[in-house]
Amino acid sequence: GQQLNQSPQSMFIQEGEDVSMNCTSSSIFNTWLWYKQDPGEGPVLLIALYKAGELTSNGRLTAQFGITRKDSFLNISASIPSDVGIYFCAGQLWETSGSRLTFGEGTQLTVNP
Amino acid sequence: NAGVTQTPKFQVLKTGQSMTLQCAQDMNHNSMYWYRQDPGMGLRLIYYSASEGTTDKGEVPNGYNVSRLNKREFSLRLESAAPSQTSVYFCASSVSPGGYEQYFGPGTRLTVT
Repeated sequence: GQQLNQSPQSMFIQEGEDVSMNCTSSSIFNTWLWYKQDPGEGPVLLIALYKAGELTSNGRLTAQFGITRKDSFLNISASIPSDVGIYFCAGQLWETSGSRLTFGEGTQLTVNP
Repeated sequence: NAGVTQTPKFQVLKTGQSMTLQCAQDMNHNSMYWYRQDPGMGLRLIYYSASEGTTDKGEVPNGYNVSRLNKREFSLRLESAAPSQTSVYFCASSVSPGGYEQYFGPGTRLTVT
């Protein structure tokens, strides 16, 4: 089946630094999604990408859908303490899996004030 | 709107006991999903319901059953709980099978002793 490799697994940064994380797959996807999970909560959708090459921003967050359709990255600029959490990428390919999403293993982000 | 709600929030079971996890959404979504989350493994799909009246197996269905009670509600049943089913369970919903953006509930933390 489809698998996503998400890296890094964890990051420890200082407040104000920029953050970059990415996901790669051996299979292509039609859609890439980025979620954030706060401790004790369910994942919350941050950004959705629907087209290869697409670059989308949401405040301090920027995500891109790789041109090969096999990767995506998420950047967070000027990090703040509330950015702490686990960030998940998810990919979807309707032709083979319908509405099912494949999730990466997550990047645990720690921001030191 | 409450979004996606799940009950209970926490549960401890003994091996062999049964229980049902409840999920409801008030967003008029057609598709609903059950995931489990284990440390370092991201989110894995147990079962999903593309629309009212249909259910399908996901990646890890063994030991579980589901019921799509109506458009709003999708329950997950453990008939004979095992320690390997200790996990955090998330319910999610999306507008349609083609609606890739899934919205998650707060989770049920289940421990099987």
